[in-house]
Amino acid sequence: QKEVEQDPGPLSVPEGAIVSLNCTYSNSAFQYFMWYRQYSRKGPELLMYTYSSGNKEDGRFTAQVDKSSKYISLFIRDSQPSDSATYLCAMRSTGTASKLTFGTGTRLQVTL
Amino acid sequence: GAVVSQHPSWVICKSGTSVKIECRSLDFQATTMFWYRQFPKQSLMLMATSNEGSKATYEQGVEKDKFLINHASLTLSTLTVTSAHPEDSSFYICSGAGGVGETQYFGPGTRLLVL
Repeated sequence: QKEVEQDPGPLSVPEGAIVSLNCTYSNSAFQYFMWYRQYSRKGPELLMYTYSSGNKEDGRFTAQVDKSSKYISLFIRDSQPSDSATYLCAMRSTGTASKLTFGTGTRLQVTL
Repeated sequence: GAVVSQHPSWVICKSGTSVKIECRSLDFQATTMFWYRQFPKQSLMLMATSNEGSKATYEQGVEKDKFLINHASLTLSTLTVTSAHPEDSSFYICSGAGGVGETQYFGPGTRLLVL
């Protein structure tokens, strides 16, 4: 069993839809959670960084963490074609710059 | 957010040559830098972790004599692919950590094609 599970998709939604992306994990040592967006042939771009259970909002993006269920989500409101990319969840335990464990990434396609 | 650059963005070389890729943190000091490799439609695979002034720590299965990593300063790390072969063709991405929360910020990646 992988430490981090993420549905690879692809996920296709119409423009304006609310998108829900999810990851589950098994290692209770993970305390810091990130979502990265990666466009084709580009490096990942940090979207959200959280370390406590609950919600964190930034513009159209909301990150949700439920440590008791070992489940994290990223919601995208009013999705745009420019949101079409691969979304990677990542997490790490405490410790200075410790290694990240990634999900496989979910490919998202937002259609006109 | 913090900015990491990589150079070159694209490189094509002949089999047997060595290729150096630079990774720079532009607006923060990266106490730790990471090197990843990514194959098409796959997630990132960590190759090695390096701390400034120390030898890099390589992941299992990564040949340290083939992938030489130098982290000479808090803003610069280099990856040298020695005697490159076609199977080394891949997308190489670096990241730096050292900003707020010590999270990793990624460079734009370097695409290597070995003929």
